[in-house]
Amino acid sequence: DGGITQSPKYLFRKEGQNVTLSCEQNLNHDAMYWYRQDPGQGLRLIYYSQIVNDFQKGDIAEGYSVSREKKESFPLTVTSAQKNPTAFYLCASSPPAGSSYEQYFGPGTRLTVT
Amino acid sequence: QQQVKQSPQSLIVQKGGISIINCAYENTAFDYFPWYQQFPGKGPALLIAIRPDVSEKKEGRFTISFNKSAKQFSLHIMDSQPGDSATYFCAASIGAGNMLTFGGGTRLMVKP
Repeated sequence: DGGITQSPKYLFRKEGQNVTLSCEQNLNHDAMYWYRQDPGQGLRLIYYSQIVNDFQKGDIAEGYSVSREKKESFPLTVTSAQKNPTAFYLCASSPPAGSSYEQYFGPGTRLTVT
Repeated sequence: QQQVKQSPQSLIVQKGGISIINCAYENTAFDYFPWYQQFPGKGPALLIAIRPDVSEKKEGRFTISFNKSAKQFSLHIMDSQPGDSATYFCAASIGAGNMLTFGGGTRLMVKP
């Protein structure tokens, strides 16, 4: 099955701890994205990567970090500097530019920080 | 600055009725306008999308209407069903493979 895998589905952390969310895709997509979704709100872009070893900040990158060492993987670290990290985090990917406009989303990780 | 504004935030429709969700955008460079459907606890999934060279696109019970001069587009769900109850997001992007700018979402409830 081709798709995007995010793990774990639920994650609990204590305040002050860094936590890394996993995102893996086997769709051979070049671009990958991280979004944050808060209750009753839209999706806000955290980081995106168009190619391996390159990534760009989105609208709300403060307190987050990413890496893109492999085409298939785009992990997101929520650092202790993120003031309000409790949210639903969505990873997405899209095919090479010019081939398709669609973004495919993973099932999401719900992070709760107490 | 919110570049894509979506309304209403929530919508209740009777089974068999028509659900209408509206979006307005500011950036005239946008050239791709998708609608995503999200069920609770799941990731969004592409429902239907339109390019600005057409004014309407229909797929089954779902129709996008696009008004380029007004910079508005809308989703119509005909014969709405309880299974359509979900959150719907409009979005816009510039070029293929580029990041999407999302509207704030509309929570639709279809009553039996």
